[in-house]
Amino acid sequence: GAVVSQHPSWVICKSGTSVKIECRSLDFQATTMFWYRQFPKQSLMLMATSNEGSKATYEQGVEKDKFLINHASLTLSTLTVTSAHPEDSSFYICSARDASGSTDTQYFGPGTRLTVL
Amino acid sequence: GDSVTQMEGPVTLSEEAFLTINCTYTATGYPSLFWYVQYPGEGLQLLLKATKADDKGSNKGFEATYRKETTSFHLEKGSVQVSDSAVYFCALKLGNTDKLIFGTGTRLQVFP
Repeated sequence: GAVVSQHPSWVICKSGTSVKIECRSLDFQATTMFWYRQFPKQSLMLMATSNEGSKATYEQGVEKDKFLINHASLTLSTLTVTSAHPEDSSFYICSARDASGSTDTQYFGPGTRLTVL
Repeated sequence: GDSVTQMEGPVTLSEEAFLTINCTYTATGYPSLFWYVQYPGEGLQLLLKATKADDKGSNKGFEATYRKETTSFHLEKGSVQVSDSAVYFCALKLGNTDKLIFGTGTRLQVFP
């Protein structure tokens, strides 16, 4: 089946530094990838939608200069949390839509736990 | 706005017990409805879906029926196994958009 990986699986950083999270589709091409954020005991919240070769579309309330998304190839999207602060600590999950599949088919990565000290 | 509400967990059951996880939704249009499952250390996986009223989604012994009159999509399984222990997420999607709106997830723990 379709597999999406994320790297790293967890990261701890100091306040003020930037952190990059990678999302890769391992055995399919993904024209569209999605980035979600999950707080403890809360639902996944869509942060942004990225399409290969174009700018990401951010959901209302998500700072695009804070959360930089790059989707430079059909198998890789990156999320960079710039000048991270403790309130950015969260679980970040990506998903990818198979370019050959139906609109409903999103494949999810296992998530990245970010802790900002 | 559009939203999904799930019962809080954890749900703790003995093996072979009957499972129900409640899910209700609020949507301005006619959504598609989904159940995703997340096993420990893995990403969310689509378990089943239904795209219109009265549709029944089913997979791996799990079932859910799209009830428009009660705006519900409850997940059921007649006989759970230890291997079903996971977190289950109910979600909706409107129209032809890609945006999924998730519930908070319900953790299921099945003991032998």
